[in-house]
Amino acid sequence: GQQVMQIPQYQHVQEGEDFTTYCNSSTTLSNIQWYKQRPGGHPVFLIQLVKSGEVKKQKRLTFQFGEAKKNSSLHITATQTTDVGTYFCNLYLYSSASKIIFGSGTRLSIRP
Amino acid sequence: EPEVTQTPSHQVTQMGQEVILRCVPISNHLYFYWYRQILGQKVEFLVSFYNNEISEKSEIFDDQFSVERPDGSNFTLKIRSTKLEDSAMYFCASSGEGVGSTEAFFGQGTRLTVV
Repeated sequence: GQQVMQIPQYQHVQEGEDFTTYCNSSTTLSNIQWYKQRPGGHPVFLIQLVKSGEVKKQKRLTFQFGEAKKNSSLHITATQTTDVGTYFCNLYLYSSASKIIFGSGTRLSIRP
Repeated sequence: EPEVTQTPSHQVTQMGQEVILRCVPISNHLYFYWYRQILGQKVEFLVSFYNNEISEKSEIFDDQFSVERPDGSNFTLKIRSTKLEDSAMYFCASSGEGVGSTEAFFGQGTRLTVV
């Protein structure tokens, strides 16, 4: 089945530095969803990308979907302590069944 | 804002006992899911439920697991005979209030501890 690999597994940055996490697949993806999970919390939907080359922004967060629809990235500009958490790139499968396949996640920690 | 609610927040049970985890999905959603997350690990898909039946399940969702939507609001996950390795956070989620709506809303989770 379709799988996504996410790197890095962990990232520790100084507050104010930028952060990027990457998601890669060997097959063409129909879509990518990004979720954030705060420590001790539950996954929260951030965004869905569907179109080849799509770029979406949410304040300091920039999401990209590759031209070949095999990779995606999330970039955070000038991290803040509120950005701490695990960021998952997920695949939403909707054919006869419906499920979200979670990536392995990138855990972001920040030095104040 | 509508939300998915799960009860209990924490459940401790003895190995071999049956547990039922309860969820109230968002009322106009069509798809319901259970996921689990073992401490420090990624979120794993267990099962999805649509139109009053299981639409897909993972290898984890073996004969020890079952799901039910006993009425119009509740969605339950039953583990018949718990094992130590069932200890995890279990998340319920729902999605699909309309065409193209794929955002899943997760509950706060039930932390299951099997002793």
